[in-house]
Amino acid sequence: DSGVTQTPKHLITATGQRVTLRCSPRSGDLSVYWYQQSLDQGLQFLIQYYNGEERAKGNILERFSAQQFPDLHSELNLSSLELGDSALYFCASSVEGVFGYTFGSGTRLTVV
Amino acid sequence: GENVEQHPSTLSVQEGDSAVIKCTYSDSASNYFPWYKQELGKRPQLIIDIRSNVGEKKDQRIAVTLNKTAKHFSLHITETQPEDSAVYFCAASISGYSTLTFGKGTMLLVSP
Repeated sequence: DSGVTQTPKHLITATGQRVTLRCSPRSGDLSVYWYQQSLDQGLQFLIQYYNGEERAKGNILERFSAQQFPDLHSELNLSSLELGDSALYFCASSVEGVFGYTFGSGTRLTVV
Repeated sequence: GENVEQHPSTLSVQEGDSAVIKCTYSDSASNYFPWYKQELGKRPQLIIDIRSNVGEKKDQRIAVTLNKTAKHFSLHITETQPEDSAVYFCAASISGYSTLTFGKGTMLLVSP
């Protein structure tokens, strides 16, 4: 167990629907990062939050949004889902100023 | 932004052989270079990292070298074992406050 908790582990939904992925960082970590992993695209950075505020944005679609709550857990919201959104979504956390991430076990999203 | 290229995409070796994976980066300000190992269906896990103030770092059978002038770094695995089979990702970042940019990964297959 890495200390980073992601739920649910698996999610199957239909095109056009909306889902919410949840991440609880390691105790003491203030930064949360979301990555999308597709078969041939490696780990694509989506967005970073630090202590409740958006810190950096990557290749995140407008249909996707995220937030980090006062208890530091984060949610990634994916709407108007398309088949191409099927992927593994990883959350990672880190202590600010300390190099390196710890990844959660991921949520596998399948859009049918 | 930073761009990380990783080669090869697939590497097959016999047990006991050495394996080398190479990455190049584009942003000369990058100063942190971790390597992650991802076994099938699991989360990426940090296996070794190097900062720009050193040229080489070793941990048992794995080592990483960094050439800042050429902007490339490499992962070396000696005496490979079947359990080394996994996807390996290199990454780069400017500081502990910035996000990691990942290469597209190398699938290492070690045959007994």
